[in-house]
Amino acid sequence: QSALTQPASVSGSPGQSITISCTGISSDVGGYNYVSWYQHYPGKAPKLMIYDVSNRPSGVSNRFSGSKSGNTASLTISGLQAEDEADYYCSSSTSSSTLVFGGGTKLTVL
Amino acid sequence: QVQVVESGGGVVQPGRSLRLSCTASGFTFSNYAIHWVRQAPGKGLEWVAGISYDGSNKYYADSVKGRFTISRDNSKKMVYLQMNSLRPEDTAVYYCAKRGSGWDLDHWGQGTLVTVSS
Repeated sequence: QSALTQPASVSGSPGQSITISCTGISSDVGGYNYVSWYQHYPGKAPKLMIYDVSNRPSGVSNRFSGSKSGNTASLTISGLQAEDEADYYCSSSTSSSTLVFGGGTKLTVL
Repeated sequence: QVQVVESGGGVVQPGRSLRLSCTASGFTFSNYAIHWVRQAPGKGLEWVAGISYDGSNKYYADSVKGRFTISRDNSKKMVYLQMNSLRPEDTAVYYCAKRGSGWDLDHWGQGTLVTVSS
């Protein structure tokens, strides 16, 4: 149950686009289309932003999009806004019917 | 609206036990799996355990297997996390979350803090 690999930090200016990667293995990210992405402000409840690789829950801005290629999933945020500054986590189902999270990525809006 | 609320956190000595509770409302509780996720101070999210909609299947992270037990009472709309043989590294905010349509967690509680310290 090793954690998925995410960059520790990414940054971008308002209006720009950024992409956060999430790398796993064939028994998690690569084997299933059950990758999710969460936005987390410190001290708050995490919020689901993307599920099943590329689906957005109702109410989530279309500036957030997800994709996957092989063992790597990606979250792209376009038209970056100040309120997007938060921690972002990916997760995936595994062949053991468990969940595994990435180490998290701190997004800084410059 | 969907609400998930955790309770039961506190300070406990190493080796002792603690039981967390998760209550839910706003959805048909008995139709959904529930999971526990934790975040240690300064660390990322870590999945802890999950239980199927009817309680027949339970899953655990290796780090807690044999020490933690997840259970549910659908008549009370409650999920429990019994934590035994607690260690300092179990110190974390514990979140309860409702599973969505796939393997996503679509609604989370605010978390309850567990501190394991002598």
